[in-house]
Amino acid sequence: QSALTQPPSASGSPGQSVTISCTGTSSDVGIYNYVSWYQQHPGKAPKLMIYDVTRRPSGVPDRFSGSKSGNTASLTVSGLQAEDEADYYCSSYAGGNNLVFGGGTKVTVL
Amino acid sequence: QVQLQESGPGLVKPSETLSLICTVSGYSIGSGYYWGWIRQPPGKGLEWIGNIHHTGVTDYNPSLKSRVTILVDRSENQFSLNVMSVTAADTAVYYCAKVRADRTMIDYFDPWGQGTLVTVSS
Repeated sequence: QSALTQPPSASGSPGQSVTISCTGTSSDVGIYNYVSWYQQHPGKAPKLMIYDVTRRPSGVPDRFSGSKSGNTASLTVSGLQAEDEADYYCSSYAGGNNLVFGGGTKVTVL
Repeated sequence: QVQLQESGPGLVKPSETLSLICTVSGYSIGSGYYWGWIRQPPGKGLEWIGNIHHTGVTDYNPSLKSRVTILVDRSENQFSLNVMSVTAADTAVYYCAKVRADRTMIDYFDPWGQGTLVTVSS
């Protein structure tokens, strides 16, 4: 299966918003609402930030939000803070007990 | 809360078998849930390897299925990963995680272990 497509980088100034896209197909993102987003700081394990397209786990700031339109899911970080600088990965269920990740997006806080 | 810890050799020779164990604390594996393995080559993205249910039912990434085996040991509260016939392309940080899944979907991984680097080299 092919990985989901994410832009390699995104950036914003403190306080601004940044949106990361995650493009799949009608066989994964387009048909299933099992899209998740993970934040990974250098040398650390990924951390779940969004699941089921729009849901936030307990403890994740409400500055993080998720959405989906067609075959593309998006993660928006509002009120950007220095600690949000990290790599972000999306994932989606792809049917047939299979799961795919995106290639990752490096978010830089200017 | 649930915590996971990977362990195993950090160096494996080409053509040999990579073997890792994930020890779970704060939760009894036999009580339920799926448990999974994900890897990340240095400087690259995440790749799902496979999951196992506490009953032993497994799901594997089709691209790795022929070389991968995941087993569960409820008595030790551990699950394991074996990758056969490794090459340099299998060099990666290997993570274990608790998985929200059932027989109709795989949802998300939370929490994750800290990861362990495995290098394939002679």
